[in-house]
Amino acid sequence: GGIITQTPKFLIGQEGQKLTLKCQQNFNHDTMYWYRQDSGKGLRLIYYSITENDLQKGDLSEGYDASREKKSSFSLTVTSAQKNEMAVFLCASSRDWGNQDTQYFGPGTRLLVL
Amino acid sequence: QQKVQQSPESLIVPEGAMTSLNCTFSDSASQYFAWYRQHSGKAPKALMSIFSNGEKEEGRFTIHLNKASLHFSLHIRDSQPSDSALYLCAVRASGSWQLIFGSGTQLTVMP
Repeated sequence: GGIITQTPKFLIGQEGQKLTLKCQQNFNHDTMYWYRQDSGKGLRLIYYSITENDLQKGDLSEGYDASREKKSSFSLTVTSAQKNEMAVFLCASSRDWGNQDTQYFGPGTRLLVL
Repeated sequence: QQKVQQSPESLIVPEGAMTSLNCTFSDSASQYFAWYRQHSGKAPKALMSIFSNGEKEEGRFTIHLNKASLHFSLHIRDSQPSDSALYLCAVRASGSWQLIFGSGTQLTVMP
């Protein structure tokens, strides 16, 4: 088994601020993902990384940057936080991509922008 | 692009009831279908998946898939309060690696 750790659990920011969310996995999985979850909406893909040093944009990448520093870690940056923004950011990993592999999720980072 | 929709948005059932959750998708050539469950404040966790038309049962949980009608469903037999959670369906279209998630059904099982 393995685990995905996300830090911080809660993040309160100011409008216009740059905010960074971190994710670590010990599954030794190749592929990692960042999703955004809003109330009443499904998970929307922001960025994904097929392997170390790879970076691919998802449907919701505008306003975000990402970095796959090493195989086990994947960071997401909100480049300019939007006032009253409130969402949960979920990190996930899977053994492979383009396959039928199960995605394993972390517990999320809850963002609130004042 | 693949569209995935779930119904109902929320559902309250008594303990012991049979619960049915529905998911529709737009691409009949889709190849992978999964259900995830997310307890409040926790990570989504994969429940079951299916690749071809038909039915698959694991314990109290059963998936039905009908590609022609663009519909798949999750049935929970003898629902328990611990089943109370947000249920998300996910579909991977043909020729795509990306999983598209529905918006979820919030299930509450009353003791």
